[in-house]
Amino acid sequence: DSGVTQTPKHLITATGQRVTLRCSPRSGDLSVYWYQQSLDQGLQFLIQYYNGEERAKGNILERFSAQQFPDLHSELNLSSLELGDSALYFCASSVGDNWGVNTEAFFGQGTRLTVV
Amino acid sequence: AQSVSQHNHHVILSEAASLELGCNYSYGGTVNLFWYVQYPGQHLQLLLKYFSGDPLVKGIKGFEAEFIKSKFSFNLRKPSVQWSDTAEYFCAVRDTGNQFYFGTGTSLTVIP
Repeated sequence: DSGVTQTPKHLITATGQRVTLRCSPRSGDLSVYWYQQSLDQGLQFLIQYYNGEERAKGNILERFSAQQFPDLHSELNLSSLELGDSALYFCASSVGDNWGVNTEAFFGQGTRLTVV
Repeated sequence: AQSVSQHNHHVILSEAASLELGCNYSYGGTVNLFWYVQYPGQHLQLLLKYFSGDPLVKGIKGFEAEFIKSKFSFNLRKPSVQWSDTAEYFCAVRDTGNQFYFGTGTSLTVIP
């Protein structure tokens, strides 16, 4: 168990709908990362938050947004869903933003999103 | 931004064969290096990591990796694979901005 919790584990929804994926980082971790994993594109970095602030953006569509709350949990909002958004969405956390701290990223179990 | 290249997309080996998976990252400077493993239906788990010091690092389940700074490489090795090593393997680089960059992954299938 990595200590990173993601809910829900599975989500099936229709095209055009909006969903929210939730992530609780490991206790003490301030950085949260979101990744999308699909068969054809591998593991794609979407966005990073550090202590409530957006820190970096990757290949995140404008239809997607995220935030990190004061209690450090994070939500990824996916709207106007398309069939191609079907994928496994992973959240990861790490201890912080200080290069002086050696750290790895710890991954949650993922949310499998199926858009029908 | 870094890019991470994993040269082997799909590797098929028989049990007891030796394994080497290639990983290169795009530019120098101070980095941390990782290999993660994803077993079927599971999340990514850390296999091993390099922060500093001895460039030959040992991880769990008999895996090891060697950091060669001059080649920007961090190849993963295992002398004798087992059926249970069947999984997807990801190389990752953490830069000084605390960003983690992942390769596209290598799918390893071990045939009993």
